[in-house]
Amino acid sequence: DARVTQTPRHKVTEMGQEVTMRCQPILGHNTVFWYRQTMMQGLELLAYFRNRAPLDDSGMPKDRFSAEMPDATLATLKIQPSEPRDSAVYFCASGLVRLPDTQYFGPGTRLTVL
Amino acid sequence: QKEVEQNSGPLSVPEGAIASLNCTYSDRGSQSFFWYRQYSGKSPELIMSIYSNGDKEDGRFTAQLNKASQYVSLLIRDSQPSDSATYLCAGSDRGSTLGRLYFGRGTQLTVWP
Repeated sequence: DARVTQTPRHKVTEMGQEVTMRCQPILGHNTVFWYRQTMMQGLELLAYFRNRAPLDDSGMPKDRFSAEMPDATLATLKIQPSEPRDSAVYFCASGLVRLPDTQYFGPGTRLTVL
Repeated sequence: QKEVEQNSGPLSVPEGAIASLNCTYSDRGSQSFFWYRQYSGKSPELIMSIYSNGDKEDGRFTAQLNKASQYVSLLIRDSQPSDSATYLCAGSDRGSTLGRLYFGRGTQLTVWP
């Protein structure tokens, strides 16, 4: 049963600390997406990668967020320094480029910044 | 700005009834549409995709797409309490930005016994 995995599942940290979230896409998937979900904003796309290359990171606050794919089995999202307004659930999703496009979501990382 | 609008609800229907969820989109270039179900505290789960005008049926679910009206809907027949969740509508901008999805804010559905 192929699934997207994310670690950690929960993270509580203090303002100003660095946060790193990790995602392992489904084996063979070549597209990885990072989303943030809050009650106020809903599901927002932060960044996405195709074949490990960043395609669009316009949804990310550039001064504090960074996203990378060091290899095909790992995507990372970092926040430095973290702020209370970053508290949200962060989802990673992976998929293949074909019609219909489909994305499979990981379980999410629930981040709380105090 | 590509947008997907959903009636925010909440929508409440009795068990066995038909639940109707609606969505409109702003970008005529959008080609594919998706319905995701999200249980409270869980991640979105894909339940239907549609990319041609008309209806697509899968079990108790029917997705409908009308590109002329830029309208997408999801019908759930014989609704069950286990269908209680938030339903997210999404459109795919496959033509120019390589498959990113634009999500609506979701409609919360409650099916009561």
